[in-house]
Amino acid sequence: NAGVTQTPKFQVLKTGQSMTLQCAQDMNHEYMSWYRQDPGMGLRLIHYSVGAGITDQGEVPNGYNVSRSTTEDFPLRLLSAAPSQTSVYFCASSRGPGQPQHFGDGTRLSIL
Amino acid sequence: TQLLEQSPQFLSIQEGENLTVYCNSSSVFSSLQWYRQEPGEGPVLLVTVVTGGEVKKLKRLTFQFGDARKDSSLHITAAQPGDTGLYLCAGARNNAGNMLTFGGGTRLMVKP
Repeated sequence: NAGVTQTPKFQVLKTGQSMTLQCAQDMNHEYMSWYRQDPGMGLRLIHYSVGAGITDQGEVPNGYNVSRSTTEDFPLRLLSAAPSQTSVYFCASSRGPGQPQHFGDGTRLSIL
Repeated sequence: TQLLEQSPQFLSIQEGENLTVYCNSSSVFSSLQWYRQEPGEGPVLLVTVVTGGEVKKLKRLTFQFGDARKDSSLHITAAQPGDTGLYLCAGARNNAGNMLTFGGGTRLMVKP
């Protein structure tokens, strides 16, 4: 049972570089979301999607872009990486925004 | 100030002790979820509570939703080393599109 799969697991970038964090789910969930986790801050919502072709901003969207061309995939793009974006990023899927979330194992991103 | 405040932030206890983790807010939630996260993994749902005053038990874990649906607690009886992890509460609000807001987490260590 794959569930939510995130790649890569680890990444180191230099300031100004761009990259895409991949997320795929095989549960046919309409709702997908991206969070970042920083010490003592819990999980903060970056962007979310309620279905293919529909995305919206969460609590901390600046510096990130998303798209949702299929139900299964929800990539997160960092346009120009900054040290403040060093964090652990989690993708989640569920049947709806307030429903129990199924999380991937995270991508640990360091920006130098 | 976070919408959901968890306390304590850190807790280190001996095997066999009891403990309670609190999740407090001034906002009303339509539901509240508790997750446990282990190092290198994403959070995993433990329970969802939806009714004010509701109590749910999961083996040695007891979850309670406050009567006014503004707070929740997690009580662990006779803690075991396997209970070690980060415990996160997350609330959904009707007036916020049912988006989940996470608390900052309680990091629990149970020593044998």
